[in-house]
Amino acid sequence: QDLLVQSGNEVKKPGASVKVSCKTSGYTFSNHDINWVRQAPGQGLEWMGWISIYSQSTKYAQKLQGRVTMTTDTSTSTAYMELRSLRSDDTAIYYCARETRAVAGTGLDYWGLGTLVTVSS
Amino acid sequence: QSALTQPASVSGSPGQSIAISCTGTSGDIHDSDHVSWYQQHPDKAPKLLIFDVTIRPSGVSNRFSGSKSGDTASLTISGLQAEDEGYYYCSSYTGSEIYVFGPGTNVTVL
Repeated sequence: QDLLVQSGNEVKKPGASVKVSCKTSGYTFSNHDINWVRQAPGQGLEWMGWISIYSQSTKYAQKLQGRVTMTTDTSTSTAYMELRSLRSDDTAIYYCARETRAVAGTGLDYWGLGTLVTVSS
Repeated sequence: QSALTQPASVSGSPGQSIAISCTGTSGDIHDSDHVSWYQQHPDKAPKLLIFDVTIRPSGVSNRFSGSKSGDTASLTISGLQAEDEGYYYCSSYTGSEIYVFGPGTNVTVL
């Protein structure tokens, strides 16, 4: 049961932007925050930020402040993550993941399959 | 650069129990009840094993258990099986409302 379905892989040039979508189904969208996590090739998990579907508030990792924006479309139960001014070290698999409970911090129980973003000239 | 530390690798024989540690600071593990653990197999998305230090989501084997003491959280895998091979990540939700992940531990079943 795929609760979170992500958009397809992308290839971008340095300096460009990418917007990854995460379409959800099978649960009440507004009840669970969406987090974004990325993983560079052969590396560990890096948390990028979260968005509260209910309040539309966001929190971003400090290193990405100013380059990342997370949004939602409640009419389609879809979350989006846009990353701007791409660099080669942004090459990674980008995951959306659902907060387990309505309270933040309770872990991420459902994950999308991931979207590979490759930044290359 | 992760603020949490994990051993790079842990190994065990089938049937044995192993423990993976996750050490943080007073800003994360020590002061947080929101410690979670994930398993990741190659080319797969992570899977939540434990949240809020000790709670197993529905469907997760009871061979996985979590605990915490001071600055260190631990994941114990009992009755080790070949399918348990993979990477394991700890995570803490801090008072700053951010998640921090550990660098990951590679578990090998001998």
